[in-house]
Amino acid sequence: EVQLVESGGDLVQPGGSLRLSCAASGITFSDHYMDWVRQAPGKGLEWVGRVRNKAKSYTTEYAASVKGRFIISRDDSKNSLYLQMNSLKIEDTAVYFCTRGYCRSTTSCYFDYWGQGTLVPVSS
Amino acid sequence: AIQLTQSPSSLSASVGDRVTITCRASQGISNTLAWYQQKSGKPPKLLIYDASSLQSGVPSRFSGSGSETDFTLTISSLQPEDFATYYCQQFKSYPITFGQGTRLEIK
Repeated sequence: EVQLVESGGDLVQPGGSLRLSCAASGITFSDHYMDWVRQAPGKGLEWVGRVRNKAKSYTTEYAASVKGRFIISRDDSKNSLYLQMNSLKIEDTAVYFCTRGYCRSTTSCYFDYWGQGTLVPVSS
Repeated sequence: AIQLTQSPSSLSASVGDRVTITCRASQGISNTLAWYQQKSGKPPKLLIYDASSLQSGVPSRFSGSGSETDFTLTISSLQPEDFATYYCQQFKSYPITFGQGTRLEIK
């Protein structure tokens, strides 16, 4: 059974930092791209960013709204994905989901497994 | 960034109805589109990938079609468990983007 379990969500003040983790099991974690997607309360889904696998040199992509403030990384030896969030803003308040970016080819890619999410409230 | 516009934003329907949700891309994306279902308090669930391929385990009453800029998700006969919010998503280029969602409610 595939499991993605996020942790680290907590109340943080504007300007603060927080690190989220996602522990994966049931998949060959190292083979796959991994992504973070967030959802503000009562709002839609917003892609945050991606880290590719070792074959793609662990390169990353980010949404414009978080670029320069958030860093996505992974530790394949621990089957873990991370999201370092810096300079947090009130508008970063959301549930953060980790998800597997399953890419069968350069033109076929989708999010097939999701964690339950972890809430990050940003408030003073 | 490629924008995805879903219509309608909300929809009321009855069990047994046939329902169609559309997703329009701001530029051509070939078939690099997926559809997700999300129920309150839960993560999204993949329904359709590559515009028309049914994800394993998803009931066959769900189907997807379209290419380039115009896509549809069809539920052939609504079941009680289908009342949820549906999102389209494109993978053609970064940033990956989602539609704003279509909320499907019970009439």
